[in-house]
Amino acid sequence: DGGITQSPKYLFRKEGQNVTLSCEQNLNHDAMYWYRQDPGQGLRLIYYSQIVNDFQKGDIAEGYSVSREKKESFPLTVTSAQKNPTAFYLCASRSGDSVNTEAFFGQGTRLTVV
Amino acid sequence: DQQVKQNSPSLSVQEGRISILNCDYTNSMFDYFLWYKKYPAEGPTFLISISSIKDKNEDGRFTVFLNKSAKHLSLHIVPSQPGDSAVYFCAASLGTSYDKVIFGPGTSLSVIP
Repeated sequence: DGGITQSPKYLFRKEGQNVTLSCEQNLNHDAMYWYRQDPGQGLRLIYYSQIVNDFQKGDIAEGYSVSREKKESFPLTVTSAQKNPTAFYLCASRSGDSVNTEAFFGQGTRLTVV
Repeated sequence: DQQVKQNSPSLSVQEGRISILNCDYTNSMFDYFLWYKKYPAEGPTFLISISSIKDKNEDGRFTVFLNKSAKHLSLHIVPSQPGDSAVYFCAASLGTSYDKVIFGPGTSLSVIP
């Protein structure tokens, strides 16, 4: 089945450590996105990529990094520079960047800093 | 400051009745609006959308109404079913590029059998 997969589902990190969240899709989608959700807030865009080897910062990119070496994969690294990394992270993909094109979301990764 | 607001964190409705989920926005330049549904332990899935040039869009049991003068949109579910119990996110877009989509915080709907 085609879909978008995030792993792990739950992740614990010690303060000061970098951690990488995985996002893989087999939908042959060009565009991929990373969002963060905090309690009582909507999804906020961290980074997005419209094509392989290219990506742009979203609204809250500080403390995060991404890569897009393959069309199927868009990993997100939460660095030690991210001041408040505990949150729910969602990855999405779409066949094009137009808002008319449906976005497909992964199940999310809940990151907790301990 | 949130540009897309869903002021009711939760809503309970009896099965068979109408569910009305509300969404307010502050930016009159938004030109496309979307609703997503999210079940626990799953990612959000697209439900229905509406362009700012329309005031109503219907898809089966789901209808979205847009009141541009009030900067308000609502999602009506008729009749409500227990399987509709989920969190509903309203989203608005500035232009056609998806990186300009802004999400609301969501409303948790419970449909009681």
